[in-house]
Amino acid sequence: EPEVTQTPSHQVTQMGQEVILRCVPISNHLYFYWYRQILGQKVEFLVSFYNNEISEKSEIFDDQFSVERPDGSNFTLKIRSTKLEDSAMYFCASLRGGRPRTDTQYFGPGTRLTVL
Amino acid sequence: GQQVMQIPQYQHVQEGEDFTTYCNSSTTLSNIQWYKQRPGGHPVFLIQLVKSGEVKKQKRLTFQFGEAKKNSSLHITATQTTDVGTYFCAGGPAGNEKLTFGTGTRLTIIP
Repeated sequence: EPEVTQTPSHQVTQMGQEVILRCVPISNHLYFYWYRQILGQKVEFLVSFYNNEISEKSEIFDDQFSVERPDGSNFTLKIRSTKLEDSAMYFCASLRGGRPRTDTQYFGPGTRLTVL
Repeated sequence: GQQVMQIPQYQHVQEGEDFTTYCNSSTTLSNIQWYKQRPGGHPVFLIQLVKSGEVKKQKRLTFQFGEAKKNSSLHITATQTTDVGTYFCAGGPAGNEKLTFGTGTRLTIIP
């Protein structure tokens, strides 16, 4: 069964450094998402992406964040200058869309980001 | 903005007992989805409910969507140790848009 994959599984970085989290969505999916989950808390929406542009973003997704689909398979989340509070689990998700319509988002295994 | 709350936050049950978590949204949802997250794992999709008053069953799990499409519940009959995890409801105004996750209910099983 197709899965969303994410790399790396764990990223440790120094405060102020840039990080890029990578995701490979399910191949025939059209909608892509990033969520984050601070340890012990709920999953929070960051951004949705469709047709090569951001369709919606949350208040968390400020100028330090950016997303890109550099080729036909990868979907990346970049944090330009990491802060301590960016430490969290970051989940990528994808949704097929199209016809017949499906609203199920499939989540990847996550990248644990630790900012020191 | 939309808020989705779940109660209880934690639930400890003896193996074999039933378990229920309740989900309440501040706004009407087009659909409600339920996810299970094992400790250290990622959210795994369980089910989606779309219709007002809809009830769906998956083996020992029963999911219900309220008539007003603002609340939902998940009931597990005769819990087993494999049911351990955090159960999240999630919903949104339209299926292709962001999911707003509930606060989650963490279920632990006492053998």
